Amino acid sequence: GAGVSQSPRYKVAKRGQDVALRCDPISGHVSLFWYQQALGQGPEFLTYFQNEAQLDKSGLPSDRFFAERPEGSVSTLKIQRTQQEDSAVYLCASSPWQTRVPQETQYFGPGTRLLVL
Amino acid sequence: KQEVTQIPAALSVPEGENLVLNCSFTDSAIYNLQWFRQDPGKGLTSLLLIQSSQREQTSGRLNASLDKSSGRSTLYIAASQPGDSATYLCAVTSGGTSYGKLTFGQGTILTVHP
Repeated sequence: GAGVSQSPRYKVAKRGQDVALRCDPISGHVSLFWYQQALGQGPEFLTYFQNEAQLDKSGLPSDRFFAERPEGSVSTLKIQRTQQEDSAVYLCASSPWQTRVPQETQYFGPGTRLLVL
Repeated sequence: KQEVTQIPAALSVPEGENLVLNCSFTDSAIYNLQWFRQDPGKGLTSLLLIQSSQREQTSGRLNASLDKSSGRSTLYIAASQPGDSATYLCAVTSGGTSYGKLTFGQGTILTVHP
């Protein structure tokens, strides 16, 4: 079946511009994660949704970052007034489980590569 | 705060060699540890998942071990092939209210040349 999809795949933004990144998780998956991956680094956690509830946003680097999942399916990560340090790959992952002891892996999308000039 | 470190940062080997990638983590209170593969421009693909109660997992030419008490894991790749070239990431799910979020190492870039 279809995997996790993300759009756009590439985004170039001028410093100060607002951007919105979309994630379509695997149908029926309860859990959804956003990660940020800087060049040459491993992904870092940003935020977690269980259905439409945002249960953990401890990884969001500033109040310029905002995420939503209003109907418990598609999620959008919005970055306001982008800065050069926001340049990174933004990865979305989904999983069917909702307990605190995950029994299986997360399924990752291809990511959105954001470049802020 | 959980920290994950991977050694080496990069590795280049000739085809057919057996190799070992290393991962260490600072907090042994984990639910599980996973090894992922990342190809350029693509997302992460899970290779092996080891629950905290397990010692190792095997899939084809891949074998991953876990020593939770010492905070270490190794990924063993047998008879490496050029198609194995990719970045390999180690990640742990820690206890507490993690909701399953992953903490990643910085990755090992593997190049297998013919």
